[in-house]
Amino acid sequence: GQNIDQPTEMTATEGAIVQINCTYQTSGFNGLFWYQQHAGEAPTFLSYNVLDGLEEKGRFSSFLSRSKGYSYLLLKELQMKDSASYLCALWDSNYQLIWGAGTKLIIKP
Amino acid sequence: GAVVSQHPSRVICKSGTSVKIECRSLDFQATTMFWYRQFPKQSLMLMATSNEGSKATYEQGVEKDKFLINHASLTLSTLTVTSAHPEDSSFYICSARKPSAGETDTQYFGPGTRLTVL
Repeated sequence: GQNIDQPTEMTATEGAIVQINCTYQTSGFNGLFWYQQHAGEAPTFLSYNVLDGLEEKGRFSSFLSRSKGYSYLLLKELQMKDSASYLCALWDSNYQLIWGAGTKLIIKP
Repeated sequence: GAVVSQHPSRVICKSGTSVKIECRSLDFQATTMFWYRQFPKQSLMLMATSNEGSKATYEQGVEKDKFLINHASLTLSTLTVTSAHPEDSSFYICSARKPSAGETDTQYFGPGTRLTVL
């Protein structure tokens, strides 16, 4: 079967670093996405990884290991505005999106 | 977890024809469904919010007469692209809001429909 797992909820402190993990099992793979979604708003694209390795974009970095079926989103210097849900999704062999259930990140002062 | 399906998964049509895309929540009732369009740089644009039994609310810049949305039941919403043109070629994604008593409602996303207009 195909599935994506990510933690339901995480809590972190303002100014700290948090890593949100995403593991997947799929019959094919054409890239993995991370989206940020604030309550009541549309998801915002954060990253797309199709090759192994780490991609850094400012405070956010995304890592992919295709052999391990694993990705993580790393958020540095956390700000209160980073409180949101973070969605992991991937394209399978037919370019259909498989979505994780999302990780609700709570930032505390 | 909750499951949202879309049909068809991909469609190719001729310019000028209309295409209907279905979005279904398979194991829960969704009072609200959302339609998104994914652009080449992977960003998702919210097109409209669909509430069961009432007219959809369209985002600014989205033509309501071109993108017809019908939320006929608590488990089904349809998006019809009328008189499709090549510039309408895109990846259309729906999501359904699952109500949760006492907690923030959660959105569950469908697998998307890839539309190619020739």
